[in-house]
Amino acid sequence: EPEVTQTPSHQVTQMGQEVILRCVPISNHLYFYWYRQILGQKVEFLVSFYNNEISEKSEIFDDQFSVERPDGSNFTLKIRSTKLEDSAMYFCASRLRGNTGELFFGEGSRLTVL
Amino acid sequence: AQRVTQPEKLLSVFKGAPVELKCNYSYSGSPELFWYVQYSRQRLQLLLRHISRESIKGFTADLNKGETSFHLKKPFAQEEDSAMYYCALSGPGTGFQKLVFGTGTRLLVSP
Repeated sequence: EPEVTQTPSHQVTQMGQEVILRCVPISNHLYFYWYRQILGQKVEFLVSFYNNEISEKSEIFDDQFSVERPDGSNFTLKIRSTKLEDSAMYFCASRLRGNTGELFFGEGSRLTVL
Repeated sequence: AQRVTQPEKLLSVFKGAPVELKCNYSYSGSPELFWYVQYSRQRLQLLLRHISRESIKGFTADLNKGETSFHLKKPFAQEEDSAMYYCALSGPGTGFQKLVFGTGTRLLVSP
């Protein structure tokens, strides 16, 4: 069964460093998302991506964040200069269609900023 | 504003007992409601959605628009039901069909 895959599963970084989290969505899916979950809090929407551009972003997704789909398969989330409060589990998700259909999640990438 | 409220952080029951995980929502319009489940060390996965009106793994959920609720129920809990359960909504007003999640309820089923 096709799955969304994410790498790395856990990354530890120093404050101020750049981090890239990688995702491979399910191959025929067209809509891509990043969510994050700070420990003990709810899963929060960060950004949605369709047709090679951001379709929506939340207030959390400030100038320090960017997303890319560089090669038609990978979908990356970059944090340019990490802060302590960026420590969270980051989930990638994809779906076939935007207005219906199940959202498939990856297993998440845990980011720890020291 | 769209909001999903799950009032219980933890629900602990014995095997065979009935389970009800509460979910209330705030949304101006007709949302689509979902329950996602996350078993230990596994990814978030869809359990059920209100439009399909299915029973998955013995769980059901009915959308009550009058009470703006979408409670998840199972008549007889099993140990393998222990997991985090997230209620979520989606709809045109949420913007490009993103999911808005509740804070989740941990269900612990003891033998």
